[in-house]
Amino acid sequence: QVTLKESGPGILQPSHTLSLTCSFSGFSLSTYGMGVSWIRQPSGKGLEWLASIWWNGNTYNNPSLKSRLTVSKDTSNNQAFLKVTSVDTADTATYYCAHTREDWELDYWGQGVMVTVSS
Amino acid sequence: DIQMTQSPSVLSASVGDRVTLNCKASQNINKYLNWYQQKLGEAPKLLIYNTNNLQTGIPSRFSGSGSGTDYTLTISSLQPEDVATYFCFQHNSWPTFGAGTKLELK
Repeated sequence: QVTLKESGPGILQPSHTLSLTCSFSGFSLSTYGMGVSWIRQPSGKGLEWLASIWWNGNTYNNPSLKSRLTVSKDTSNNQAFLKVTSVDTADTATYYCAHTREDWELDYWGQGVMVTVSS
Repeated sequence: DIQMTQSPSVLSASVGDRVTLNCKASQNINKYLNWYQQKLGEAPKLLIYNTNNLQTGIPSRFSGSGSGTDYTLTISSLQPEDVATYFCFQHNSWPTFGAGTKLELK
């Protein structure tokens, strides 16, 4: 059974760096074809794909945010991480991580973690 | 970036209706199109991948079709539990979501 759970700071100040952790079970990020994606959703709005990391260490970032995003993984501890630098109020959203199959099927999602950027 | 346009933005239908939701890409996405259902307060759920492949555990009343730039999600007989927002998602290039169609009961 695949499960994922996001964790983060809840609230942070503008210009700071947001650090999120995705802790998962039921799969390994060292297995061929496996990946974890990050997606966010401002309250009442649509979904935005942010980044993905794959079993082989390859990463893909949303070009519109590319320089601000860093995605990484700790295979031994079944975790994936997302860092977003220089946050502002526009980064306020619920952030999800999702198990991603080889052909970009985001088939299992975490419950999401709310992040508020406020001074 | 490939832009995904969903229509209508809001759809009201009755239980038992056949419902069609549309998604149009700004360029050919070669059938690399997934559909997600998001109920209020929940994470999205994968319904259909690569245009017409039903995800395991999803009822057969859901189906997908399309090619090129135009794609459709069809619910053959609307059930009360289908009230949700539906998003399309292309992965032909850098992944992008559509803005969603909110499906309501009439």
